Amino acid sequence: EAQVTQNPRYLITVTGKKLTVTCSQNMNHEYMSWYRQDPGLGLRQIYYSMNVEVTDKGDVPEGYKVSRKEKRNFPLILESPSPNQTSLYFCASSAGFGYTFGSGTRLTVV
Amino acid sequence: QKEVEQNSGPLSVPEGAIASLNCTYSDRGSQSFFWYRQYSGKSPELIMFIYSNGDKEDGRFTAQLNKASQYVSLLIRDSQPSDSATYLCAVNKAGNQFYFGTGTSLTVIP
Repeated sequence: EAQVTQNPRYLITVTGKKLTVTCSQNMNHEYMSWYRQDPGLGLRQIYYSMNVEVTDKGDVPEGYKVSRKEKRNFPLILESPSPNQTSLYFCASSAGFGYTFGSGTRLTVV
Repeated sequence: QKEVEQNSGPLSVPEGAIASLNCTYSDRGSQSFFWYRQYSGKSPELIMFIYSNGDKEDGRFTAQLNKASQYVSLLIRDSQPSDSATYLCAVNKAGNQFYFGTGTSLTVIP
């Protein structure tokens, strides 16, 4: 089944403790992206990647890192999470005709 | 000025009616336009995309694009209760940088 898989689905962590949210797609898509979704603000793009080793900042990149060492994987790294990064995060991939989204990761930073 | 603006609603229509959802965008250089549906607690799913001025139909859905007015709309004919969801408009400006509106909540009343 064609899908974008992100883990974990739910995560509660403490301020400053580094974490990684994994994302993998099995559709051989070139484009991948991370979004956060907050009430009243909608979906905002954090980082995107147009191919292996090619990444670029989206609208809200501060406090996040990404890497694209393999085509299928695009992990999101929070080096020092803060409470304002509490949000619903989506990974997505695309062949160029709109994104397919993963199931989401609900992150709470306390 | 927001990149993409949508009326947040809520929009209520009776079952069988036409639901009309609207979206405006700020950058005339925007290249492609997408409509997503998001059920509560779920990830967004792509309904339609449109690149050229005019109408594009897919089943009960019609997307309309007017680049001169920087306006995109989605019509849902014969609305069903299962269409009740939040509808997100998205715009691709360049590369794979996407901007989403905050969404319009639609309720179809049986």
